[in-house]
Amino acid sequence: QVQLVQSGAEVKKPGASVKLSCKTSGFTFTMSYLHWVRQAPGQGLEYMGMANPINGDTNYAQKFYGRVRMTTDTSTSTVYMELRSLTSKDTAVYFCAREPAVGAKYFDFWGQGALVTVSS
Amino acid sequence: QSVLTQPPSVSAASGQKVTISCSGSSSNIGNDYVSWYQQVPGTAPKLLIYDNSKRPSGIPERFSGSRSGSSATLDISGLQAGDEADYYCETWDTSLNFYVFGSGTKVTVL
Repeated sequence: QVQLVQSGAEVKKPGASVKLSCKTSGFTFTMSYLHWVRQAPGQGLEYMGMANPINGDTNYAQKFYGRVRMTTDTSTSTVYMELRSLTSKDTAVYFCAREPAVGAKYFDFWGQGALVTVSS
Repeated sequence: QSVLTQPPSVSAASGQKVTISCSGSSSNIGNDYVSWYQQVPGTAPKLLIYDNSKRPSGIPERFSGSRSGSSATLDISGLQAGDEADYYCETWDTSLNFYVFGSGTKVTVL
């Protein structure tokens, strides 16, 4: 069965970086796009960007340009999201999600989420 | 501020029907498919509707979606206590060049 299992909660200081992982299984990793979505406490869903496991191509929401990097490891079917220069506004639950096929444009399976807390 | 606008909350009695609207523009809903997600607080979102009106396997027929022009709608009929959750619409925005989510709607079963 399709599974996306994310790394655990993180606590970071302002200005630091965080790197989250999302290990996938149960499907052909290179036939899907992997996306990241975050949710600040009490707020809605915010799209961050995506990574293509076949060629490593990425597409980020403009808000995160220059601060985010998404990578994939086809040997372990894992996608990573690194966010730099953290501020308190980055405190949120971060989800990875699968787009089941190129061009599907929806997210059918999600990771369990990882809470990132940014605090001095 | 979300590109897609949803009512903050809707409510109805058990067994009744609720309708959640999602209003966008020609650069998003008016130009691409809409998906809907259900999120119980503290859990990951769950796909309810994709390609405007298709249901993944396992999603009851009580959940239905539609799109007209630059707006989309999610209907939940035969409302149950377990339907209490937040609901989000989502689509691709051709001007922004990334996916966008609605502001979210909290459904309460009275």
